[in-house]
Parts: sequence; structure tokens; C-alpha cells
Amino acid sequence: NAGVTQTPKFQVLKTGQSMTLQCAQDMNHEYMSWYRQDPGMGLRLIHYSVGAGITDQGEVPNGYNVSRSTTEDFPLRLLSAAPSQTSVYFCASTPGPNSGQPQHFGDGTRLSIL
Amino acid sequence: RKEVEQDPGPFNVPEGATVAFNCTYSNSASQSFFWYRQDCRKEPKLLMSVYSSGNEDGRFTAQLNRASQYISLLIRDSKLSDSATYLCVVVNGSSNTGKLIFGQGTTLQVKP
Repeated sequence: NAGVTQTPKFQVLKTGQSMTLQCAQDMNHEYMSWYRQDPGMGLRLIHYSVGAGITDQGEVPNGYNVSRSTTEDFPLRLLSAAPSQTSVYFCASTPGPNSGQPQHFGDGTRLSIL
Repeated sequence: RKEVEQDPGPFNVPEGATVAFNCTYSNSASQSFFWYRQDCRKEPKLLMSVYSSGNEDGRFTAQLNRASQYISLLIRDSKLSDSATYLCVVVNGSSNTGKLIFGQGTTLQVKP
């Protein structure tokens, strides 16, 4: 059972480049989230999805797009990378936020924008 | 005001000490509460849920005060292995469509 798989683990981009961070889970969880973590800031919610075809904005959605075409996958897209998006990104999944079940996190993607 | 706030610390305590962390939240309609633990450069992992009546898991006790809108985590008999960042999580919104909001975390360093 792989749980939540994030790729890549590390990435360096130049300002203005685009890229997609991949997230996949094999636990049939409906609820998936993307967070970024910066020093002293904790985890901040970027976007989340309560099921296939449904996405919503979190606390810091600007500069990021998401889609949820399947239950398993929840990719995060940076359309035009900026240095302010240098961060560690975590994807997480759970059956539901009030299900009493914990969020399962991926290992994180460490992204640097030059 | 942030939706979920924690004292970032660091809390430096000797082994065997008792330490308590608080976390305040701004949305009175928040429904579920959790404490997560995060080790350096690793993903967060669930430590314990927080129930209305308070709950205990070994050396860890979690409590919820809805009137004052805070949750707490008490760690008794601290171990070196308890050194980590502790994150409180609040669920805002209904049933299965709410947002999980993290506090910025409280760093604990337990020293010999």
C-alpha cells in the first residue's frame, strides 16, 4: 500500500517556468489537499478537493491551479513560477475532514525558484 | 487575525518535565480538532484527535475549550524523542467539505 505519493521530491525552476507537482493516493480517499510550508509559517492550505470534479481554494491559492479528474490524482500546477513560491509542498488525503481519520501526507516536494 | 494560532516557542525543557501547548482558533463553528507532530524535514503525522470531553493517550492529554476557543496538549514525563514541532489542526466547515487549517506549530526541544 503506497499511501500518498508525491513527485518530484526536489525541483529547481527558473522564474516564469511552469510545472506540475503530482500527487496520487491509493486509499480511495475523497478528500485531498495541497499545503505549502515555509519557515515559521506552519502549513498553509493552497487548494483542496472533496471529491472528483470538485475543487476549492484554501488560504493561499494565488499562483496555483488544481484539478481533480479522478479520485486518485490531485495535481498542483504553477503556471508562472515566482521566487515567492519557493517552499516545501505537501499533498495529503483523508476520507473526509470530519471522518475522524487522520490526514495521510506525502513525503513533500522541495521546490526552489531562482 | 489568523484562523489558528500557536505560540511558536521554542519550548526548551529537561527530560521528565511536563509541558503544555495551547492553540487558539477564531471560527466558533469549527467542528474537529487534532494535534499533529512533525519531525525536522518530514511530513506531519497525526498525534491524537481532540474530543470535547478531553482525551488521554499515554503521556499525552488533549483538551478542548469551546467557550474560549482553544485546544491544549499536555505532555508529561518528557522524553528526548518528544523533540519535534507540534501542530494543531482545526476543521472549519460542514461534514466532509470543511477546510483543515494548521497552526504554525510549536517547537519542543527536550534536553538531557
